[in-house]
Amino acid sequence: GAVVSQHPSWVICKSGTSVKIECRSLDFQATTMFWYRQFPKQSLMLMATSNEGSKATYEQGVEKDKFLINHASLTLSTLTVTSAHPEDSSFYICSAPTATYEQYFGPGTRLTVT
Amino acid sequence: QKEVEQNSGPLSVPEGAIASLNCTYSDRGSQSFFWYRQYSGKSPELIMFIYSNGDKEDGRFTAQLNKASQYVSLLIRDSQPSDSATYLCAVSIGTGRRALTFGSGTRLQVQP
Repeated sequence: GAVVSQHPSWVICKSGTSVKIECRSLDFQATTMFWYRQFPKQSLMLMATSNEGSKATYEQGVEKDKFLINHASLTLSTLTVTSAHPEDSSFYICSAPTATYEQYFGPGTRLTVT
Repeated sequence: QKEVEQNSGPLSVPEGAIASLNCTYSDRGSQSFFWYRQYSGKSPELIMFIYSNGDKEDGRFTAQLNKASQYVSLLIRDSQPSDSATYLCAVSIGTGRRALTFGSGTRLQVQP
């Protein structure tokens, strides 16, 4: 299957700081990528859709000024968590659909805000 | 009513048996259906993708889709202890590169 990478795989930051997470499609181009969040023992919840060359679209209840998304190229989307707080601690996972619409997930980034 | 429903389990089967995982969805606009396996602490791994009514087989896995009944299932033949994980059913509503709506997952335990 297609390969999607994420970096970093885990990060610990202090409350009030910002963290940037990168998502890359390694062997295909992705005009669209998706960002999900997963809290312990819960399923994945869509946060936003990242569109190459245009603004991201956010799900209801997700603050676009707090979770900044930039889709700078056909293989890279970044999610920046600004002014992080402990309640932002979660498992952040990106996905990218291929040309045949199969969706592959990155390995995820575990964020802990202290 | 949740958009995608799964029995949370755990579903326990002996090694070598067939595990049957079920999923129902509510939106008739759903076009594509996915089964992912997720190990604890890891991200989901794509197992199967189906969009036409009927069966789709890949190795030990068979996905079955019945759009009239809004039902999709995953059969795992010759279950192995390494298959023990949470299985997530996901649907894509509409056509094109759409985000997925996930069920809450079914935890499968394969007993050696």
